[in-house]
Amino acid sequence: SQELEQSPQSLIVQEGKNLTINCTSSKTLYGLYWYKQKYGEGLIFLMMLQKGGEEKSHEKITAKLDEKKQQSSLHITASQPSHAGIYLCGADPSFSGNEKLTFGTGTRLTIIP
Amino acid sequence: NAGVTQTPKFQVLKTGQSMTLQCAQDMNHEYMSWYRQDPGMGLRLIHYSVGAGITDQGEVPNGYNVSRSTTEDFPLRLLSAAPSQTSVYFCASRPGRWTEAFFGQGTRLTVV
Repeated sequence: SQELEQSPQSLIVQEGKNLTINCTSSKTLYGLYWYKQKYGEGLIFLMMLQKGGEEKSHEKITAKLDEKKQQSSLHITASQPSHAGIYLCGADPSFSGNEKLTFGTGTRLTIIP
Repeated sequence: NAGVTQTPKFQVLKTGQSMTLQCAQDMNHEYMSWYRQDPGMGLRLIHYSVGAGITDQGEVPNGYNVSRSTTEDFPLRLLSAAPSQTSVYFCASRPGRWTEAFFGQGTRLTVV
């Protein structure tokens, strides 16, 4: 089965600073998803990456999928209190075969004013 | 457009009791899944379905049953609740592979 490792597990950042969260897969990624979860709430979709080298941005959040399609990074520029929460990466396991969408262990982000 | 609706939001069960967590979606999505979220564990896949009448096991299926008689509904059954099943449960749906998954607001279950 595909395993997704996220690092760091938790992150405390001063407001205004930049930060990066990584997601590493044991297998080739054919669809990589980033979600955000506010404490005690459901998951909010941020973006999806499929092609090696692909980069997408939404407001101050940028996600990249490396050329070998086994690692993705999520970068937040000039962090704000609204960025606090749990960030989860998810992946479709293979080009064909089963359709399990699995997730990493999550990164808990705290923003200090 | 309600999206994915989970009921109940909170539930306390005694060990050995049974119950069903309900999940309904109104987006005509073929794929539906159940996850549990424990502290420090991210989301773990329990069961999933790729269409009415088709279900399969995920990473942690033991102690849970599912069925999918309609496209809209995907209930999760706990036959004999155990304290280890204390968790937050999320239901998700999506149109197909390589598409965004939509999540419900979660059910917080405590087994005492």
